[in-house]
Amino acid sequence: AQSVSQHNHHVILSEAASLELGCNYSYGGTVNLFWYVQYPGQHLQLLLKYFSGDPLVKGIKGFEAEFIKSKFSFNLRKPSVQWSDTAEYFCAVNPYGQNFVFGPGTRLSVLP
Amino acid sequence: DTGVSQNPRHKITKRGQNVTFRCDPISEHNRLYWYRQTLGQGPEFLTYFQNEAQLEKSRLLSDRFSAERPKGSFSTLEIQRTEQGDSAMYLCASSLRETGTGDYGYTFGSGTRLTVV
Repeated sequence: AQSVSQHNHHVILSEAASLELGCNYSYGGTVNLFWYVQYPGQHLQLLLKYFSGDPLVKGIKGFEAEFIKSKFSFNLRKPSVQWSDTAEYFCAVNPYGQNFVFGPGTRLSVLP
Repeated sequence: DTGVSQNPRHKITKRGQNVTFRCDPISEHNRLYWYRQTLGQGPEFLTYFQNEAQLEKSRLLSDRFSAERPKGSFSTLEIQRTEQGDSAMYLCASSLRETGTGDYGYTFGSGTRLTVV
C-alpha cells in the first residue's frame, strides 16, 4: 500500500544538538513533499516544501530538508535545535492527482 | 485574521447526538479539505471540495458523516449519532491548486476537538 513513514516516534535532544528526522514514502510517480510542524496546543504549520529543482530545500526557523529520489526520502534537518523547537513534526506527500498523505509524526523534545 | 477559521474549538457531546462543525477557508483558495487527527497519529484524510463540488470521500467517512460546501466558500462537517470512536481533532485545510502545478500546500485551521462521552 502507498504510505508515508517516519523513522522515529519520539526524539529527545539537548539544546544545540543537530537534528535529522527521517521520512520515506512509497509512491512511484511525481510527488510534492512537505514538512509540517505542530507546536503544543497549536495548529499545523508549514515548515517547508519541495516541488522541483534543487533537492535541498530551506524552510523557516533554520530547517532544511533534502529530497533523495532514489531513496524515496525527504529527511528534515536542523544544525542546532532550540528548546522552542519542541513540537510534533509531520512529513506529508502529495502525489500528483491525489490528496496529501501524512506520516504518523515524530515528537521532538528538546531539553534546555 | 486571514487564515483558516474553525468553529467551535471544542465540542463535548453525548453519544448519539448530532454535531456540526464549520470551516471558513482562505478566501482565494479553491480547495477545502477535512482531516481527522487522533492522539499520536498524523492527520487522516476524510473528504475534500474543489469549489462547491465534493470530489473525494475517504472510506473512513461512514454514512453518519456528511460534508457540504454550498457556495464554494465555508464548509460544514456533520456527524450524526456520534460514537465514542468519533472523538478526535477535526482539521480543516484549504489550498490553491493550479492545473499542471499541483498543490501549493495546505493552510490548516486550529481544528475542532470533539469529545464524545
